[in-house]
Amino acid sequence: QVTLRESGPAVVKPTQTLTLTCTFSGFSLNTSGLCVTWIRQPPGKALEWLARIDWDDDKYYSTSLKTRLTISKDTAKNQVVLTMTNMDPVDTATYYCARAVAAAPAHFDYWGHGTLVTVSS
Amino acid sequence: QAGLTQPPSVSKGLRQTATLTCTGNNNNVGNQGAVWLQQHQGHPPKLLSYRNNSRPSGISERFSASRSRYTASLTISGLQPEDEAEYYCSAWDSSLSAVVFGGGTKLAVL
Repeated sequence: QVTLRESGPAVVKPTQTLTLTCTFSGFSLNTSGLCVTWIRQPPGKALEWLARIDWDDDKYYSTSLKTRLTISKDTAKNQVVLTMTNMDPVDTATYYCARAVAAAPAHFDYWGHGTLVTVSS
Repeated sequence: QAGLTQPPSVSKGLRQTATLTCTGNNNNVGNQGAVWLQQHQGHPPKLLSYRNNSRPSGISERFSASRSRYTASLTISGLQPEDEAEYYCSAWDSSLSAVVFGGGTKLAVL
């Protein structure tokens, strides 16, 4: 059974760095072809893709946010970590991690429940 | 980054058929096709359709997808109250090396 769970702070202050962890089970990022993606959704708004990391450690980032994002993985712990620097109130959103396959990177077959991050002083 | 275009809302009656559209370009929808997601309020999105018309197990046959050039479509037949949700399309954009999403279509079942 595949599960993903996001964890991290519920509130961060403006200019701070956000660190989110996606802990997953039921698959391994050692498996050729798999990838894990971060996606966010501001309240009442649409989904926004943030970053992706592949089984072979290839990484891809949103062009509008790439200077602020870093994605990494710890295969032994079955975790993927996303950091976002210089947080702003407009970054308030529910942050999701999802599994996909590198050959079809928009094919998100399993999702976490999401974690709401509020940026406020 | 440029996204896919979806109509903001569609309203149809119970047991009717709704067709939702998603327009992109030759770098995304026209290249790898679109994926469709359904999201009920307060829940994460759920995969409905991929590779143009494949469905994950457990997804009703009432949901079918197609593509014509740069426009992907999701057709929902025999609309049920539980189909009322937000529907998103997504695709890998080969020029951006990134996933792009549509703005979502809110489907109301009257």
